[in-house]
Amino acid sequence: SQTIHQWPATLVQPVGSPLSLECTVEGTSNPNLYWYRQAAGRGLQLLFYSVGIGQISSEVPQNLSASRPQDRQFILSSKKLLLSDSGFYLCAWTPYGGTSSPLHFGNGTRLTVT
Amino acid sequence: AQKITQTQPGMFVQEKEAVTLDCTYDTSDPSYGLFWYKQPSSGEMIFLIYQGSYDQQNATEGRYSLNFQKARKSANLVISASQLGDSAMYFCAMPRTGFQKLVFGTGTRLLVSP
Repeated sequence: SQTIHQWPATLVQPVGSPLSLECTVEGTSNPNLYWYRQAAGRGLQLLFYSVGIGQISSEVPQNLSASRPQDRQFILSSKKLLLSDSGFYLCAWTPYGGTSSPLHFGNGTRLTVT
Repeated sequence: AQKITQTQPGMFVQEKEAVTLDCTYDTSDPSYGLFWYKQPSSGEMIFLIYQGSYDQQNATEGRYSLNFQKARKSANLVISASQLGDSAMYFCAMPRTGFQKLVFGTGTRLLVSP
């Protein structure tokens, strides 16, 4: 069966520090991968998605970037964190193709920028 | 563009009773789907149920069912025989045109009381 791993679970970082969140998927190949962010008490906002290695699409201009160095690895990064980057970050995957497959989410990373 | 509206910020229900969580949507796509997710306080997003716009019958998954009314553009989630563990945030979502990029509503917080 497929599983998705996301780490770390929580992170407290000072403003101006770098960020690296990692997500890996097991048990499938060529998944679509996604990074979502959830501000406190709000819905999810899509940040990045990827349909293959090295293929990254950004949804909103921001201080963050994403990379997909391997088929089942998705990384969210920042060179210098802002206070506004605080939030709950969720990685997700779907099988390639189609629109009826649900997103399967990792457990999330709660990021606090101080 | 797709839009999801959840007008109930919070709902209360007693254990063992049924509850309906509202979701209305707007799309110009002739074919689409609706997803419901549950987010417990721990943060992970759990897929509950899916309804395709051309599905003849309302979707059912255990205690979860969808009251899908295409003409009204609504896809309400019905939880039967509520349990204390059903206390969580519930999100309705649909894919954007042509891809599995889900657009989420703002969510409804359900509290189940003994």
